[in-house]
Amino acid sequence: ILNVEQSPQSLHVQEGDSTNFTCSFPSSNFYALHWYRWETAKSPEALFVMTLNGDEKKKGRISATLNTKEGYSYLYIKGSQPEDSATYLCAFILGSNAGNMLTFGGGTRLMVKP
Amino acid sequence: GAGVSQSPSNKVTEKGKDVELRCDPISGHTALYWYRQSLGQGLEFLIYFQGNSAPDKSGLPSDRFSAERTGGSVSTLTIQRTQQEDSAVYLCASSSSRGGGKTQYFGPGTRLLVL
Repeated sequence: ILNVEQSPQSLHVQEGDSTNFTCSFPSSNFYALHWYRWETAKSPEALFVMTLNGDEKKKGRISATLNTKEGYSYLYIKGSQPEDSATYLCAFILGSNAGNMLTFGGGTRLMVKP
Repeated sequence: GAGVSQSPSNKVTEKGKDVELRCDPISGHTALYWYRQSLGQGLEFLIYFQGNSAPDKSGLPSDRFSAERTGGSVSTLTIQRTQQEDSAVYLCASSSSRGGGKTQYFGPGTRLLVL
């Protein structure tokens, strides 16, 4: 059973605060890590696909880093806005997984107060 | 272009009834996945289709669950003799190929409630 853990489970911040979350995953047989943003009643939105150790990706105010050797990824949001409120999911793909199905963490629910 | 669509968006059914959930993937995407999120649980994999290959059914929770994909496009997930524990959000995703570096694009989901 693959263990993909996300912390914290939930987070309340004020508008303008910068924040970060953690995703930890098995460090052996790594293939890829995906980050998604999921707002209530909407489709999960792909943020990043990361495959190489040391990868850093950025999309606007959101960025992510990847450490496959120690099995963790960080997601950073700079200057949080109320519209950033959502659940942020990471998902791991095992190298031997022929179908490349995603194993998800439990998510971090972010609430940004105006 | 059009994204992944799913229907119905919401479904309420009585215990013991059969339900069918539909997924229309992005045109040209060869890989199609079904996931579900039960109350208080994370998203879990159910079944995977790739082109004309036999599907990977390793995530289906019981033999009451089945899925098919006709013509390599639309997929239907069928739950027979529904139980209350089947209540969940069922999500479909598609990607342009099987590679782990490929983004999976999700539909908005079907919210199933079994009374």
